[in-house]
Order: sequence, then C-alpha cells, then structure tokens
Amino acid sequence: EIVLTQSPGTLSLSPGERATLSCRASQRVRNNYLAWHQQKPGQAPRLLMYGASSRATGIPDRFSGSGSGTDFTLTISRLEPEDSAVYFCQQYGYAPDTFGQGTKLEIK
Amino acid sequence: EVQLVESGGGLVQPGGSVRLSCAASGFTFSSYWMSWVRQAPGKGLEWVANIKQDGSQTNYVDSVKGRFTISRDNAKNLLYLQMNSLRVEDTAMYFCARPDLGWGQGILVTVSS
Repeated sequence: EIVLTQSPGTLSLSPGERATLSCRASQRVRNNYLAWHQQKPGQAPRLLMYGASSRATGIPDRFSGSGSGTDFTLTISRLEPEDSAVYFCQQYGYAPDTFGQGTKLEIK
Repeated sequence: EVQLVESGGGLVQPGGSVRLSCAASGFTFSSYWMSWVRQAPGKGLEWVANIKQDGSQTNYVDSVKGRFTISRDNAKNLLYLQMNSLRVEDTAMYFCARPDLGWGQGILVTVSS
C-alpha cells in the first residue's frame, strides 16, 4: 500500500498570498495518478486536480498541480477567504487507492 | 456535468445490513472503474472498494472484506454497496467517487443499537 504524507499539517496565510501544499508518496505513483481534493466543513470533497496537473472542470486557474514520481505539490496563488478548507491528496495508480491525512489551510 | 447521487443510508443496528446506491450521470459510466470512499466523523478519507468497468474485478479494504460487496448495473448507470454484518466502526459518510471525475454528496450510515 502506498502511504501519502502531506505537509504541512496546518497552513495559515493571508488573502492574496500563495499557498504551497506538499504530498509525498512512499513509492512511485504509477502514471502520476495523483488527485487533489478540497473539503469544507459539512461538505463532500471537491475534486480540484487529477493526473497530478490537470485541473478539474470549473476549478479556477489559481489552483495548479505539479510533480511526478513520489513528490507532488498543489499551489494556490492569490488566496481568497473561500479557500479555507482541508486539502487531501489521493493516489489511484495502485490498489488500494490511498489518501493523505490532509492539510488544513486557514485564511487569516 | 458529472453527477453522482447516493441513497440508501440510515440508522442500522450492529450486525445488520444496508444497501447503498449511487446514480451516475453526465459521463459514460460503463467506461470507468468506480469507488466507494468513507469518512468517519471527524476523520480523514478512507477508500472502501472499487469495481472494474464490466464488474469482473473488485477490490476491498481489508476491514470490510467478506462483509461488503460492490456491484454495478451499467444499463441503469448505478453503483451499489451491499453492507452486511455492520459494526459500530462502520459508521461514516459514504461517498461514491471517481478520482478524476468527482464525488457524490455522500450518504450517512450510522451503526448503533
């Protein structure tokens, strides 16, 4: 099973700043099948990125994904108050699919 | 627009059974592996099971093997999760999901006496 480790655990930034979230895999993720999801309290997760760098439908271009192999990054430029959420990475290259433990992003 | 709509949850006694359904639309359902993912109250996301496009292959997390069965009806664009011998620790929101398409709104299953 591939273990995904996200860092930092919590990130506190101001509107307009850039957020950089990391997801590290315990082994190479096949075909960079790595997704990022956003979850706000009381809501279902929302798909942001898939295939490491492809933006899901309707996701603003302030969100971008990068990386390959074992190291992946979600970058959110020009933070807005509504970006406050928990962000999870997920690998779906090898069964079982696995999730990171999440990064909580707080907007000051 | 991709839509995944779960139904069938509720309150179940330990040892009981429930079947979840997920109605899919907005994409070619029969072309994709599909998954169930759960989230216990205040916890992270846990993948539960997935199923191949034609239903010929399934995978489960160890904690549900032998108790849960995932299946699908491609003619009706429906995904199912039959949950038997339920335990208190199965209490969670259950989501129908596809990693590169999106998530359903989730359905709550509470296992309690």
